[in-house]
Amino acid sequence: GQNIDQPTEMTATEGAIVQINCTYQTSGFNGLFWYQQHAGEAPTFLSYNVLDGLEEKGRFSSFLSRSKGYSYLLLKELQMKDSASYLCAVRGNTGKLIFGQGTTLQVKP
Amino acid sequence: DTEVTQTPKHLVMGMTNKKSLKCEQHMGHRAMYWYKQKAKKPPELMFVYSYEKLSINESVPSRFSPECPNSSLLNLHLHALQPEDSALYLCASSRAEGAFHEQYFGPGTRLTVT
Repeated sequence: GQNIDQPTEMTATEGAIVQINCTYQTSGFNGLFWYQQHAGEAPTFLSYNVLDGLEEKGRFSSFLSRSKGYSYLLLKELQMKDSASYLCAVRGNTGKLIFGQGTTLQVKP
Repeated sequence: DTEVTQTPKHLVMGMTNKKSLKCEQHMGHRAMYWYKQKAKKPPELMFVYSYEKLSINESVPSRFSPECPNSSLLNLHLHALQPEDSALYLCASSRAEGAFHEQYFGPGTRLTVT
């Protein structure tokens, strides 16, 4: 079966660093995506990992370990506008994106 | 232009109505998608069009009927919907289907079925 797990909610303080974990079990693997979705808005693409290791893009970094079926999204220097839902999505053998339930991040002053 | 547009933004329809959702992109993308998203849930894939041909139908009820008139447009025709079909309907596009091609999402149509 297909299963993607993320924590439901996280809270962090403005200026801090937060790590959102994602574990997956899917039929095949053709890449892992992270999307950000603000309430009532469309998801926006943050990062893509297909090889093991860390991809850095400004304040956001994403890590992948294929052998462990594990990824994390690291957000540095948190800002209030980072309060949103963060979706981990895996592309399996069929080419479809399978989304996790999303992690709602609340950034507090 | 990296935008996917959707109309209308909001739609309220009765169970006997027929309506259509529209999606448009001008990025030259050849894959387009319809997703359904309920509150506090992730998007669920409904349909995928690749080069204007239906590639994936995720066992969606026939009251939802997709159409891809050309490479820039994607429609979702709605007929005899149920209240449980109320959700945010998201359109997305990507350069092509498969492997690494990030999907760009439109703002969605919030549908309420009464």
